[in-house]
Amino acid sequence: DAGITQSPRYKITETGRQVTLMCHQTWSHSYMFWYRQDLGHGLRLIYYSAAADITDKGEVPDGYVVSRSKTENFPLTLESATRSQTSVYFCASRDNRSYEQYFGPGTRLTVT
Amino acid sequence: QKEVEQNSGPLSVPEGAIASLNCTYSDRGSQSFFWYRQYSGKSPELIMFIYSNGDKEDGRFTAQLNKASQYVSLLIRDSQPSDSATYLCAVNGWSSNYQLIWGAGTKLIIKP
Repeated sequence: DAGITQSPRYKITETGRQVTLMCHQTWSHSYMFWYRQDLGHGLRLIYYSAAADITDKGEVPDGYVVSRSKTENFPLTLESATRSQTSVYFCASRDNRSYEQYFGPGTRLTVT
Repeated sequence: QKEVEQNSGPLSVPEGAIASLNCTYSDRGSQSFFWYRQYSGKSPELIMFIYSNGDKEDGRFTAQLNKASQYVSLLIRDSQPSDSATYLCAVNGWSSNYQLIWGAGTKLIIKP
């Protein structure tokens, strides 16, 4: 089915481990975004990408790494997970012609 | 710093009544305005967007934009229990047209 998917949907990891969250979209949207959502903070932008091989930091990039070698994929890596990175992570995308973003189902990450 | 403000609620409305959700924004150059609905444990879903001053209607939903006063509102007519959710306001900034600036959301409860 067309759309935007995220995997895994749920992840429990230990402090210090590396973990990668995957995001895949089938719309060929140019822009892709990673957000985290925590109680009391709303949606906060971690990283975004305007096209393959073009990425930039958002509001809260520390501790995260992204890459985008293909238009359809935008993985987010936590290089050394910390408890403060326990959150729900959403991937979103949009095309060049409009500003509305479409979200994936989210990944609930728990760092113990 | 560009901001989008929403009353966090909860806003409690009787079934069948009109629910009114409000949002103010600080960037006078903003051009595009969005309302997303987020059910508990789910991802944000786009329900309305508006670009011009005035009203825009879609079924039971009406978005209202007043750029002079820098506010955007969402009216939900004939409110149903299924409308109970958190409503997020998002605005694109003139100086940041690659991303949306998000409000923290208003929790709406429709009481049967």
